[in-house]
Amino acid sequence: QVQLQESGPGLVKPSETLSLTCTVSGDSLSSYYWSWIRQPPGKGLEWIGYIQNSGSTNYNPSLKSRITISVDTSKNQFSLELRSVSDADTAVYFCARGNGYFRYWGQGTLVTVSS
Amino acid sequence: EIVLTQSPGTLSLSPGGRATLSCRAGQSVSSSYLAWYQQKPGQAPRLLIYGTSSRATGIPDRFSGSGSGTDFTLTISRLEPEDFAVYYCHQYGSSPLTFGGGTKVEIK
Repeated sequence: QVQLQESGPGLVKPSETLSLTCTVSGDSLSSYYWSWIRQPPGKGLEWIGYIQNSGSTNYNPSLKSRITISVDTSKNQFSLELRSVSDADTAVYFCARGNGYFRYWGQGTLVTVSS
Repeated sequence: EIVLTQSPGTLSLSPGGRATLSCRAGQSVSSSYLAWYQQKPGQAPRLLIYGTSSRATGIPDRFSGSGSGTDFTLTISRLEPEDFAVYYCHQYGSSPLTFGGGTKVEIK
């Protein structure tokens, strides 16, 4: 059974870098694309970007200048870095499998940007 | 970027009722690459429909999707108590991938 689990700090200071990791079990990173999606409290979903095991990426233009998604196939993990965060980046961050529709999701992790 | 507009914002219905949710795209969705998700509080979204009308594994047949081009519909034929939730449409035919703002189906 495919499972995804996000991990990382729940609190980040303004202007600093948000770093999250998604650990995948029950599947190989080599087989699919892997995405990050976020949801501000009480609001809708926003696709952040995806990565393939080769390292090929596709980012949302609205965030492209501030994000890096990377993959570590030896650990079966992929990661998100979001730089220069502000209040607007406070959200639940989900990792998911795919570059199209998303069948498998992590449970999500709330990241709050606050000093 | 393809903007998806969902309507209504909130749908108040009774168990056993029929729910019709609309998703309108600002431009044609490529190859009918349109999905629907259900989300309950504190949970990740759950895939219901992909490719406009294909039900995901384990999804009951009371959920159905239809549409093409810029107009898509999710229908829940007979609402069960567990169906009261927020529903999102999602297009994955062109980048950036985008989601609609959601429709909340609440108990009347």
